[in-house]
Amino acid sequence: AQTVTQSQPEMSVQEAETVTLSCTYDTSENNYYLFWYKQPPSRQMILVIRQEAYKQQNATENRFSVNFQKAAKSFSLKISDSQLGDTAMYFCAFHGSSNTGKLIFGQGTTLQVKP
Amino acid sequence: DSGVTQTPKHLITATGQRVTLRCSPRSGDLSVYWYQQSLDQGLQFLIQYYNGEERAKGNILERFSAQQFPDLHSELNLSSLELGDSALYFCASSVADGGVAKNIQYFGAGTRLSVL
Repeated sequence: AQTVTQSQPEMSVQEAETVTLSCTYDTSENNYYLFWYKQPPSRQMILVIRQEAYKQQNATENRFSVNFQKAAKSFSLKISDSQLGDTAMYFCAFHGSSNTGKLIFGQGTTLQVKP
Repeated sequence: DSGVTQTPKHLITATGQRVTLRCSPRSGDLSVYWYQQSLDQGLQFLIQYYNGEERAKGNILERFSAQQFPDLHSELNLSSLELGDSALYFCASSVADGGVAKNIQYFGAGTRLSVL
């Protein structure tokens, strides 16, 4: 069974600094999809970025980028120029290509951006 | 705004009662997913429907059931409620039913259920 692990329950960063959130996963599949979702205090789940495992190039969305290491089964999220609005819980999620659409989530990392 | 609508936003009820949570997917999306977020279990997949048919089941209790109607909206029914069922219930929708590149899940704002 696939599993997703986020080993950092809480992190903090100063405004304008860079922070990296870690995620590892376990799967025997070769093709799959990885996601980072953000859950701010409003509790809404917002898609931040996604990576397709068959693509070697790391995904980037504005200030958000990932470091995808397929062999190591690692999928970290880097947030550059952190802003107060980035304060949220961040979830790493796995979506296999062989199963139907369910997402498997990690436990989440609470990120606090300090002014 | 994700385009996924969940009602109600909050629900307070007593143990032993039954409630229904409603979800309207984004326009054009055929798949609906239900997730439960609780403090001790994290975010867990409950069930998926695609174009009216059940596609996948997760850790959904027998006291819980769901369906997707011809207009593609979905309802999650929770019965014989227990204190431990208190959680945030999310609905998500996507265009397809499996692991394809375009199959991104968009989440509603959730229904917070409190069982007293």
